Amino acid sequence: GQNIDQPTEMTATEGAIVQINCTYQTSGFNGLFWYQQHAGEAPTFLSYNVLDGLEEKGRFSSFLSRSKGYSYLLLKELQMKDSASYLCAVTDSNYQLIWGAGTKLIIKP
Amino acid sequence: IAGITQAPTSQILAAGRRMTLRCTQDMRHNAMYWYRQDLGLGLRLIHYSNTAGTTGKGEVPDGYSVSRANTDDFPLTLASAVPSQTSVYFCASSEKGTETDTQYFGPGTRLTVL
Repeated sequence: GQNIDQPTEMTATEGAIVQINCTYQTSGFNGLFWYQQHAGEAPTFLSYNVLDGLEEKGRFSSFLSRSKGYSYLLLKELQMKDSASYLCAVTDSNYQLIWGAGTKLIIKP
Repeated sequence: IAGITQAPTSQILAAGRRMTLRCTQDMRHNAMYWYRQDLGLGLRLIHYSNTAGTTGKGEVPDGYSVSRANTDDFPLTLASAVPSQTSVYFCASSEKGTETDTQYFGPGTRLTVL
């Protein structure tokens, strides 16, 4: 079966760094996405990885290891507005997105 | 540019009633998608359309139907609503429908079936 695992909830402090992990088992792999979703709102695109390694985009970075079926999203210099759910999604061999349940990130002052 | 709009924003529906959720995009994207999002579960694909005139079934298509008469509109119909269809429904679109495409989401419709 297809499976994407993320922690359900994480808590971090404003100004700190947090790493949100995602592991996946899917039929084929054609890329991994991270989306941000604030409560009551639509998901919005953060990053896309298809090759192994780290992609940096401002305060957010995303890492992929295809051999390990593993990715993480790294958020630096946390701000209160970063409180949201972070969704990991993998494109499978049928080019469909398989979504994780999301990690709710709580930022404390 | 509005992006993707969905209507209604929320709806309470009696079981057995027919309901159409509307979705319109103004980005001229080829591909469109309908997802449902339930607490504790990831987004699940209901139906998709790679281009106007074509549709396909996703992971959870039973009880739902779609049509894609033109590029902009992708309505989702519940023929006879059941309580298990209580969910938040998101419409999304992407430019080409390929594996590298970013999907852009509408604001969602919160549906309650009693």
